[in-house]
Order: sequence, then structure tokens, then C-alpha cells
Amino acid sequence: DTEVTQTPKHLVMGMTNKKSLKCEQHMGHRAMYWYKQKAKKPPELMFVYSYEKLSINESVPSRFSPECPNSSLLNLHLHALQPEDSALYLCASSQEHFTGELFFGEGSRLTVL
Amino acid sequence: AQKITQTQPGMFVQEKEAVTLDCTYDTSDPSYGLFWYKQPSSGEMIFLIYQGSYDQQNATEGRYSLNFQKARKSANLVISASQLGDSAMYFCAMREGFEANNLFFGTGTRLTVIP
Repeated sequence: DTEVTQTPKHLVMGMTNKKSLKCEQHMGHRAMYWYKQKAKKPPELMFVYSYEKLSINESVPSRFSPECPNSSLLNLHLHALQPEDSALYLCASSQEHFTGELFFGEGSRLTVL
Repeated sequence: AQKITQTQPGMFVQEKEAVTLDCTYDTSDPSYGLFWYKQPSSGEMIFLIYQGSYDQQNATEGRYSLNFQKARKSANLVISASQLGDSAMYFCAMREGFEANNLFFGTGTRLTVIP
């Protein structure tokens, strides 16, 4: 079982809807990430939070709004999305300043109609 | 320029045979880490193996080994005794600088294990 939990696993939304993706980890990791993965493509970094502060924003459109309420939780708020935003959204965590791996969740598969 | 290159879109291997998945990388940073992840159809990215740029020995984890050739900037994954459950997408990734917070992923190789 993965130690990074993402909900919901599947989400269908219209272009005018507001929804949120949630991610939770209890490994004491201090860095958390959102990646976007289109079909048959590698994951692309969107945001990184380090010690609950946004440290990297890879020029992501403002219709994606990340939030890190505490060290265990990471949200991605979605508003006015486009059909091309349909993708698998992966959350990951890692120990800060660590050469080891990112732990990924199973992802939230988003479809925008 | 591509930081990670995986030139094999798809590979087939007979069950119980070994297979090598290729990965080359490009960086000018002397400190970096190389990773291999497996992504089954469920979507989760599963960490397989890690190699640091200063590691003298090739990394091994069970049936997985990393053939690290620093001068050639290659980090090939070797899977021994392939199993049907090894069928998945495999991504090579690199972290530049040991304190960097990003992994750059290659385009992936889809491995199919044939019974």
C-alpha cells in the first residue's frame, strides 16, 4: 500500500466547476509535490512545497491553486479548467535535503468536460 | 536539451529472462542522483533503485541493478529473472544537485513480459 494517499481517485468536472484534489502523507516528510501526467507522457512538475511554503511554481496557470495547510496535507484547488487539463495528477513527498526517492500516491485522474 | 533520454519506447522480454532498459542523462552539475521508477497501469509511481553521482558501486535492489557508466552518462536498469508483474512503464529520472527539489523524468519505456 502506498504511504501517500490521494483523493479522489477519479474526478469529472465541467469548465465552470470548482473542485479540489487532496493528498496526505504521514511519513514526516517536509517536501511535497504536485505533478501532472498526460497520457503516454512523463510526469511534469507543477508545484513544490518545502516546510509548508511554496518553493517552486513551474509557471502553472492560476486556475490551479495549491495549498499546504500543514506538513501532512497538500491540496490542489481547481477552477475554470480547460479540457486540455485532463490528466493524471500525482502527489509525492520526500524528506527535505535528501538524496533518496520521492514517494508517490496513486494519482487522481481528472477529466474536464 | 533533454536532461534524460530513454530511446526505447517499448521492450519485450520472455519470462525469467533478463532485460536492460536504457537511460542516458545530461548535466553539468557534479552532484546528481539517478532514479528508476515503475508505473503500472494503476498509475502509482513505484521507486525501484537509486544511484548517486559519487557512488563507486553500482546500485542493486533485489532483481534490479543499475549499470552506472559515469563517463558515458548512462544509467541503464537491468531486471533479472523477469516476471509477468514486471510489465509496466519504466521511467528514468534525475535530480540535479543533492538539495534540489525536482526530478526530471525521461519519456519512459513500456516493458511487456511474455509468458
